[in-house]
Amino acid sequence: DTGVSQDPRHKITKRGQNVTFRCDPISEHNRLYWYRQTLGQGPEFLTYFQNEAQLEKSRLLSDRFSAERPKGSFSTLEIQRTEQGDSAMYLCASSSYRGSTYEQYFGPGTRLTVT
Amino acid sequence: TQLLEQSPQFLSIQEGENLTVYCNSSSVFSSLQWYRQEPGEGPVLLVTVVTGGEVKKLKRLTFQFGDARKDSSLHITAAQPGDTGLYLCALRNTGGFKTIFGAGTRLFVKA
Repeated sequence: DTGVSQDPRHKITKRGQNVTFRCDPISEHNRLYWYRQTLGQGPEFLTYFQNEAQLEKSRLLSDRFSAERPKGSFSTLEIQRTEQGDSAMYLCASSSYRGSTYEQYFGPGTRLTVT
Repeated sequence: TQLLEQSPQFLSIQEGENLTVYCNSSSVFSSLQWYRQEPGEGPVLLVTVVTGGEVKKLKRLTFQFGDARKDSSLHITAAQPGDTGLYLCALRNTGGFKTIFGAGTRLFVKA
């Protein structure tokens, strides 16, 4: 399987705990994106990387959130001091330039529940 | 206010029926995308429409981009239970690094 993978698929944590999610993009893709999706909504952009450089961060990404892509391959998203409002599906996507556009391929997501 | 408004929010129909879902905005877009998302999975790109008035077909799915490039529709002919899912329209920002999604239409096709 050469698609985008995410780990874990589900995470239940208590409020105040830290959590870390991992995303493995499609191997030849140089761009990697993180989105958050809450119930009844479409995904919302959080941040993106081109290779190892984090080039854009949404205002949704508070100081408690940090993302890394240390070697330009896999990425991690860490949430510190989780709050109940952080409960959501966290989606990762990757892309490379093809033709005249970057087509994003999404992973299955990590569903976070904060109790 | 959502940049992209999708309607209806929810649709439940019988197998074999036809349906149309809509994506509207007050802004003009250079292109618009439609995705389908199944429960517990990430969105999967179905089509990108670029030209005003463009119509694209994908088996029983017909996508149309409005002449003014401010709206789009997705029509499904003879819906099947396998069509069940969340249909999202989306646009890509300048530079192509961010995809902005609508809230989606949740479709349920009953056998």
